[in-house]
Amino acid sequence: GENVEQHPSTLSVQEGDSAVIKCTYSDSASNYFPWYKQELGKRPQLIIDIRSNVGEKKDQRIAVTLNKTAKHFSLHITETQPEDSAVYFCAANLYSSASKIIFGSGTRLSIRP
Amino acid sequence: GAVVSQHPSWVICKSGTSVKIECRSLDFQATTMFWYRQFPKQSLMLMATSNEGSKATYEQGVEKDKFLINHASLTLSTLTVTSAHPEDSSFYICSASHRLAGLSYEQYFGPGTRLTVT
Repeated sequence: GENVEQHPSTLSVQEGDSAVIKCTYSDSASNYFPWYKQELGKRPQLIIDIRSNVGEKKDQRIAVTLNKTAKHFSLHITETQPEDSAVYFCAANLYSSASKIIFGSGTRLSIRP
Repeated sequence: GAVVSQHPSWVICKSGTSVKIECRSLDFQATTMFWYRQFPKQSLMLMATSNEGSKATYEQGVEKDKFLINHASLTLSTLTVTSAHPEDSSFYICSASHRLAGLSYEQYFGPGTRLTVT
């Protein structure tokens, strides 16, 4: 089955700087890679996703890149703000089926003022 | 967007009792729902896949007789934690698959249920 690894587990950056979180996946059949932001005690919220037919996707300060050959994908947050502080999870699954989402282990991002 | 609700949002029960958690898709039909468990400062761990009208598929290491799943309708799945123990205390989150146009799916998460077993 699919296995998703994520690092770092914790990340602290100065406000205004960029943050990068990296993930790898094992199942070459996976073709959909969502990223979730979770605040304490709340449900995960989808912040951006990418399908395997593209290499990069950007939405304002957030971007995701995908290297399907290497089975790597990354989340980039630029111009970080205090409200970006949260736990971020990468995930992988098959977009064309109601298949299970497998989550990475999570990254706790802290933004220093 | 699609909405998924969970009930209750939190529950405290005594050790040895059973607790039922409901997951509902409010504005769409979900043939497939998923149940996750999240311990403090950890990731969401998939427990089982709930399929409407059929038996749930459990992940390795999850006791099916302890975590009973019923998906009797296209909008409701229930998770019953039987003979609960303190180590079952956790945040339980469900998600429901919503079929979009073009044979694609998107998952929507419920708000979670915090279970505390005393």
